[in-house]
Amino acid sequence: DVKVTQSSRYLVKRTGEKVFLECVQDMDHENMFWYRQDPGLGLRLIYFSYDVKMKEKGDIPEGYSVSREKKERFSLILESASTNQTSMYLCASSLWTGASNQPQHFGDGTRLSIL
Amino acid sequence: KQEVTQIPAALSVPEGENLVLNCSFTDSAIYNLQWFRQDPGKGLTSLLLIQSSQREQTSGRLNASLDKSSGRSTLYIAASQPGDSATYLCAVKRGYSTLTFGKGTMLLVSP
Repeated sequence: DVKVTQSSRYLVKRTGEKVFLECVQDMDHENMFWYRQDPGLGLRLIYFSYDVKMKEKGDIPEGYSVSREKKERFSLILESASTNQTSMYLCASSLWTGASNQPQHFGDGTRLSIL
Repeated sequence: KQEVTQIPAALSVPEGENLVLNCSFTDSAIYNLQWFRQDPGKGLTSLLLIQSSQREQTSGRLNASLDKSSGRSTLYIAASQPGDSATYLCAVKRGYSTLTFGKGTMLLVSP
């Protein structure tokens, strides 16, 4: 079974802090994704990566950056945390783009509160 | 821009009922459609994936259908159980393997 592990289930930080959310997958997947989930807005894609050191902006990249130095690890960085970044953050991974029958696999999420 | 809508937003049924969840999307140029389950405070679990060339997929008591031309998919749950209570999300695959999600249907199955 694919395992996507997010380093923290719950995290509390202060405004202005630099925040790192870590995600690791154990199935040698090329693609990795970061989403945020908010009530009434659903899941929205922040950034994704289709290879090591490659990254693409999703629908809401403002205020975030990412890092993918190793294939199994994808980090989401909040450069200067703000209260409107309080949310549930979900990481996912999948096999390479070309196959239309490969599902995305999700971690358990990190509930981040910015005070 | 692709938009995905799920109806109803919430559904409450007694145990044993068969039920249908609906998903519609505005752009029929999709690679596949996935149905997920999400328990409160948890991540998403993939239930079924239908490729754009397929009409339906089945797994146990779940059956998902896809009508790409009309932009619709349904998730059929047979003989519902309290353990089926969760939020069900559909998502369509666009370019670069990215997904566009609906906002989900919250299902409650009462004993």
